[in-house]
Amino acid sequence: QSVLTQPPSASGTPGQRVTISCSGSSSNIGTNTVNWYQHLPGTAPKLLIYRNNQRPSGVPDRFSGSKSGTSGSLAISGLLSEDEAAYYCASWDDSLNGPVFGGGTKLTVL
Amino acid sequence: HLQLQESGPGLVKPSETLSLTCTVSGDSISNRNYYWGWIRQPPGKALEWIGTMYYSGSTYYNPSLKSRVTISEDTSKNQFSLKLRFVTAADTAVFYCARLRSYYDSSGYYNYFDYWGQGTLVTVSS
Repeated sequence: QSVLTQPPSASGTPGQRVTISCSGSSSNIGTNTVNWYQHLPGTAPKLLIYRNNQRPSGVPDRFSGSKSGTSGSLAISGLLSEDEAAYYCASWDDSLNGPVFGGGTKLTVL
Repeated sequence: HLQLQESGPGLVKPSETLSLTCTVSGDSISNRNYYWGWIRQPPGKALEWIGTMYYSGSTYYNPSLKSRVTISEDTSKNQFSLKLRFVTAADTAVFYCARLRSYYDSSGYYNYFDYWGQGTLVTVSS
């Protein structure tokens, strides 16, 4: 069982906007920022969003992040077939004194 | 362009020691701006942080694994390594190495893995 809670699956059609939620607690998201990763099987996970809403260079602005209280959210607009992947949220946990992760959300583009 | 590559045996026997190496290219593991870490993902389960090291030799481990884990560095080869002792089937997982950006600024304290290796599957079985 993961420390951060994500829905196991999400789906959308090309062009749609989808959101993925990430629920934590006061010791992690409530106090620290949320990061998001995109992962395709057999490849290296890719940093998508850091510090709640910052995009690394090269990440399209179709991807956006937000945080409210002890939850974070990833939004993908203008869905493309290439967005089909697993998405993981992460945050620092003050009790663990280390990073914690969500269980991952498998996004299917219908 | 930064790249990390995990290497090591794909099969380890129960009670033995799992040993993996992460070879870094495109950056130095002595870079004071970053930490270097290991994360694992058992089949069908969540990602789990194993531990992190800093160039100074400081190490930080997940308390649940601390008694069995050692992370060390070889700066001459620009590599860092993971040893996990007394493994059981529950340690079967894909193991990733990654670079951790950790810093303070006027807004707060921030930590995130900005680059990862593609991962290597290690199976614990006799």
